[in-house]
Amino acid sequence: NAGVTQTPKFRILKIGQSMTLQCAQDMNHNYMYWYRQDPGMGLKLIYYSVGAGITDKGEVPNGYNVSRSTTEDFPLRLELAAPSQTSVYFCASSYSTAGIEQFFGPGTRLTVL
Amino acid sequence: KNEVEQSPQNLTAQEGEFITINCSYSVGISALHWLQQHPGGGIVSLFMLSSGKKKHGRLIATINIQEKHSSLHITASHPRDSAVYICAVASNFGNEKLTFGTGTRLTIIP
Repeated sequence: NAGVTQTPKFRILKIGQSMTLQCAQDMNHNYMYWYRQDPGMGLKLIYYSVGAGITDKGEVPNGYNVSRSTTEDFPLRLELAAPSQTSVYFCASSYSTAGIEQFFGPGTRLTVL
Repeated sequence: KNEVEQSPQNLTAQEGEFITINCSYSVGISALHWLQQHPGGGIVSLFMLSSGKKKHGRLIATINIQEKHSSLHITASHPRDSAVYICAVASNFGNEKLTFGTGTRLTIIP
């Protein structure tokens, strides 16, 4: 099993550009999460999904959108990138709720200039 | 005040030393997680616990629910233990979400 995969690993965007961060898991997990990690800060939840077709906002959703058309995939869309979105983005999945172990992808380092 | 506080923020120790990292939280929880983030950036789950103590190899995690406190111990520390250790809690309410501490950066010197 590949676990949780993320693409790309690195990306540089110009202000105002858009992009999609891809996340996929092959563990048949219902729950998937997107986090951002800023220097000196704890991971912050952007969006999460409890199953295909169901998504909900986390702590810092502004400037992002998600969709969950399949159990496996949970892409994160950045519209009109801003320097404040410079961060490392992690996707994670778990079989059930946050009380259960989460499996993390390798992360995407995004810089907005 | 953050919901999850870790101490110390940074810790440097000699190889072989016994390491303790602390985590305090302010909300009722259903579970507490300890995670490890290596210099390459990847994050792996070490423990998930809701009471008592768990041990895996040289790592031991304990939690005191009444005091809202957890500790992560590393025995016979090794340079490969150098990483950031992150505490995260799943609250009793809306437990689909984790709240993370800012991490403890551990450096073990040979």
